[in-house]
Amino acid sequence: DVKVTQSSRYLVKRTGEKVFLECVQDMDHENMFWYRQDPGLGLRLIYFSYDVKMKEKGDIPEGYSVSREKKERFSLILESASTNQTSMYLCASSSGPTGRNTIYFGEGSWLTVV
Amino acid sequence: AQSVTQLGSHVSVSEGALVLLRCNYSSSVPPYLFWYVQYPNQGLQLLLKYTTGATLVKGINGFEAEFKKSETSFHLTKPSAHMSDAAEYFCAVSKANQAGTALIFGKGTTLSVSS
Repeated sequence: DVKVTQSSRYLVKRTGEKVFLECVQDMDHENMFWYRQDPGLGLRLIYFSYDVKMKEKGDIPEGYSVSREKKERFSLILESASTNQTSMYLCASSSGPTGRNTIYFGEGSWLTVV
Repeated sequence: AQSVTQLGSHVSVSEGALVLLRCNYSSSVPPYLFWYVQYPNQGLQLLLKYTTGATLVKGINGFEAEFKKSETSFHLTKPSAHMSDAAEYFCAVSKANQAGTALIFGKGTTLSVSS
């Protein structure tokens, strides 16, 4: 089975802290994604990467950055956390052209910024 | 730009009743379409997808969806609801067969099933 693992399920951070959300996949997938999920807004794409060291902005990249130094790992970074970044963050991965192949999701990381 | 609209943020049915969750898409290129389900405190799981070929797509847990290009729709149905179907459902669209693209999701529909 494909496994996408998000290292932290629940985090509480203070405003202004630098926050790292880590994601690892074990299927040698080229593509990795970070989405943010909020009630009534669905999933919104923050960043995605289709190769090591490559990244593309999604719909809501402001206040976030990403790092992909190794194929299996994709990190989301909040440079200076703010309360409006309190949310559920979902990591996902897939192989090949996105449309044809299934995207697999991790279980999510609940981030609360106080 | 591609987009997805899910009609109805909340749908309630009785156990054994028909489930119908509506999704309309907008795409300037041939789309690939997906339905995902999310159970409480979990990530998303693929229910079914349409890429090419047969427009009626069958998925897991008895769900199916029909791609109707003329109506730009991809509605999800199940003939008989079970209590275990209670979850949030997301419709998504992507650009067909292009590397380096991502899924665009709708806002989700919460399905409640009563006994």
